[in-house]
Amino acid sequence: EDQVTQSPEALRLQEGESSSLNCSYTVSGLRGLFWYRQDPGKGPEFLFTLYSAGEEKEKERLKATLTKKESFLHITAPKPEDSATYLCAVQARGSGTYKYIFGTGTRLKVLA
Amino acid sequence: EAQVTQNPRYLITVTGKKLTVTCSQNMNHEYMSWYRQDPGLGLRQIYYSMNVEVTDKGDVPEGYKVSRKEKRNFPLILESPSPNQTSLYFCASRSTSGIHNEQFFGPGTRLTVL
Repeated sequence: EDQVTQSPEALRLQEGESSSLNCSYTVSGLRGLFWYRQDPGKGPEFLFTLYSAGEEKEKERLKATLTKKESFLHITAPKPEDSATYLCAVQARGSGTYKYIFGTGTRLKVLA
Repeated sequence: EAQVTQNPRYLITVTGKKLTVTCSQNMNHEYMSWYRQDPGLGLRQIYYSMNVEVTDKGDVPEGYKVSRKEKRNFPLILESPSPNQTSLYFCASRSTSGIHNEQFFGPGTRLTVL
């Protein structure tokens, strides 16, 4: 069964304290792995797409990496405005190739 | 402005009273999808549509119907809502030819079924 697990569920950081969020996945064949940011009361906003192991993407203080079993979202020197829930999702190959499976997210709080 | 819109944003209804949540996108996207978001369960896909008149079930389709008669619209229909359908609903769309294959999400519809 295709599955996505995110850890930790919640994370509190001091401003400037770097850390990583984890997304472990089990899929029959990975078509793509996605990271989204979700602010309270809003829809998810796209951050990154990763397609193959070894791939890395960067945007400002965020860097996403991918292995065959997991993805990491590294946050370098976070600021309070980085506080949000970060969602990981996978799209699997095979039948239902346009199905998406989301993890339950990591709630990040960055303290000033 | 490129966007996905949903209406209504908030809805309180009673068990068994049919309702429709509308979703519209102005980006000419082929793919559209509905999700529900519940605490501890994350986003779960209800239905998706690859194009006009083409729809398929996601992971939690029971109790829901969809239709795709026009490319821009993808309404979600609850013919006989029940309290376990109380949730936050998101519509999303994406192009099938983009590089990132990212989904664009609407602002959400918070539904309460009493």
